[in-house]
Amino acid sequence: NAGVTQTPKFQVLKTGQSMTLQCAQDMNHNSMYWYRQDPGMGLRLIYYSASEGTTDKGEVPNGYNVSRLNKREFSLRLESAAPSQTSVYFCASSEDWGLGYEQYFGPGTRLTVT
Amino acid sequence: RKEVEQDPGPFNVPEGATVAFNCTYSNSASQSFFWYRQDCRKEPKLLMSVYSSGNEDGRFTAQLNRASQYISLLIRDSKLSDSATYLCVVNFNTGGFKTIFGAGTRLFVKA
Repeated sequence: NAGVTQTPKFQVLKTGQSMTLQCAQDMNHNSMYWYRQDPGMGLRLIYYSASEGTTDKGEVPNGYNVSRLNKREFSLRLESAAPSQTSVYFCASSEDWGLGYEQYFGPGTRLTVT
Repeated sequence: RKEVEQDPGPFNVPEGATVAFNCTYSNSASQSFFWYRQDCRKEPKLLMSVYSSGNEDGRFTAQLNRASQYISLLIRDSKLSDSATYLCVVNFNTGGFKTIFGAGTRLFVKA
């Protein structure tokens, strides 16, 4: 099993460009998440999908959109990239939604917006 | 005040030392707790859950102090391979499930 996979691993964008980060999991998990990680700050939740067909905003959703394409795939879209979105983005999944479920993370996407 | 706070370190310890990290949380309704480990430029991975009665996994011991609202991680007989950033995670449900990650504590174990 590959676990959680993310593409691309690295990306450089110019301000105003758009892109989609892809995430897939092969663990048959119901819940999926997108986080960003910045130096000196904890992982911050951007959006999550508690189950297939649902998505909800997390702590820092502005400037992002998501799509839960099917049970396996959860994509994150930046419509008009800004330098403040330079960060490392992690996708994660868990067996289900609620307290006490371990989250499994993908390897991350390092995004730089110039 | 941040909802979850950790001493960023770094903690520099020699091999074989015992080291402990604390993580304080502000929401008294917090219900579940974890420690994750993150190696440099890698993704976080679950190290261990933290149970009310405390729990141990080999050289690692996790404890919860609800009265003072903190969790701790003790590492005994440190190995070079323990060098990493340790993230605490606090979950609570106040009208909606919420997970908060601490910013992490960096540990360097030296030969």
